[in-house]
Amino acid sequence: GQQLNQSPQSMFIQEGEDVSMNCTSSSIFNTWLWYKQEPGEGPVLLIALYKAGELTSNGRLTAQFGITRKDSFLNISASIPSDVGIYFCAGRDSGAGSYQLTFGKGTKLSVIP
Amino acid sequence: GAGVSQSPSNKVTEKGKDVELRCDPISGHTALYWYRQSLGQGLEFLIYFQGNSAPDKSGLPSDRFSAERTGGSVSTLTIQRTQQEDSAVYLCASSPGAFSEQYFGPGTRLTVT
Repeated sequence: GQQLNQSPQSMFIQEGEDVSMNCTSSSIFNTWLWYKQEPGEGPVLLIALYKAGELTSNGRLTAQFGITRKDSFLNISASIPSDVGIYFCAGRDSGAGSYQLTFGKGTKLSVIP
Repeated sequence: GAGVSQSPSNKVTEKGKDVELRCDPISGHTALYWYRQSLGQGLEFLIYFQGNSAPDKSGLPSDRFSAERTGGSVSTLTIQRTQQEDSAVYLCASSPGAFSEQYFGPGTRLTVT
């Protein structure tokens, strides 16, 4: 089956620093989604990507769909304490008729004020 | 507008008892998903409903797990004869269509003692 490797597993950063995390897949995807989950909450959709090479921003967040279609990254600029949470990537190969999302295991972000 | 809601938010049950978890999807969303999230892990797909089509039950871990979706809206996930390894957060998500972004509810934290 499809596998997603998400890295790093965890990060401790100073407030104001930039953050980068990525996901790589064993197979080609044509959709990449990035979610953030805070304690006691469900994942919240941050950014959706549908085209290889696509670069999309949402405030201080920027995500890119890798041109090989097997990877994606998420950057957070000028981190603030409320960025704390677990960030998940998810991919789908809807071109193969699959509606299922495959999720990474998450990157836990801690921001030191 | 209203997001995905789930109830109860927390459930503690004794081993061997049956439990029912409820999901109310976003109005108009035709697709509904159930996932399980164990501590520190990513999301494990359980079951998928799309419109009036037969559900995809391929992710259900055992025959103790079942789900139904009445009237194309509310869904109930039932776990019979609960075991301690069933302890996890159960997340429900809905989407406007099979290949659209998924929006998650807050989850139900199930603890089997």
